[in-house]
Amino acid sequence: GAVVSQHPSRVICKSGTSVKIECRSLDFQATTMFWYRQFPKQSLMLMATSNEGSKATYEQGVEKDKFLINHASLTLSTLTVTSAHPEDSSFYICSAYGTSFAGELFFGEGSRLTVL
Amino acid sequence: KQEVTQIPAALSVPEGENLVLNCSFTDSAIYNLQWFRQDPGKGLTSLLLIQSSQREQTSGRLNASLDKSSGRSTLYIAASQPGDSATYLCAIRTDSWGKLQFGAGTQVVVTP
Repeated sequence: GAVVSQHPSRVICKSGTSVKIECRSLDFQATTMFWYRQFPKQSLMLMATSNEGSKATYEQGVEKDKFLINHASLTLSTLTVTSAHPEDSSFYICSAYGTSFAGELFFGEGSRLTVL
Repeated sequence: KQEVTQIPAALSVPEGENLVLNCSFTDSAIYNLQWFRQDPGKGLTSLLLIQSSQREQTSGRLNASLDKSSGRSTLYIAASQPGDSATYLCAIRTDSWGKLQFGAGTQVVVTP
């Protein structure tokens, strides 16, 4: 299967700062990427869908000004958590979809954000 | 709205037993169904992808079936091993560009 890489895997920041998480498709071109959030012992909650070269589509209830998503190339999408607060602490996972994989989605390793 | 349910929420079996994990969904108009594995603190690993037109997929000890008419998919893991301990998630895709709708997962523990 294809490989999706996320960086950093863990990040700790102070309240009020901004944090950027990168999601890269290493061996395929990802026309669409998805960003999920996962709370402890719960399943994944879709935050937004990003298509290369266009604005992200956010799910209901997700603040687009707090969670900035950029998909500037076919191999890179970034999620920036702006003015982070402790309640933003969570596990963030990206996934990528490439047209050559018959609809199969591949996930990154996840990024654990802790806001102090 | 598509709803995905996984039962049981947790399962513990001795090594060597076969595992049967269930996934049900409310809307049969699906594009595909994907089974994932998630280890604690890690991302998701894709196990099997079943297209809407398929009835089952197999990979090694894993076999997944799909019955759209009854809104069910079953993941079978033969001869379980302690390394199979993880949370297993099923997810439904409703169209070629659509997002995945996840079940809550089944947490599996295989005891030596």
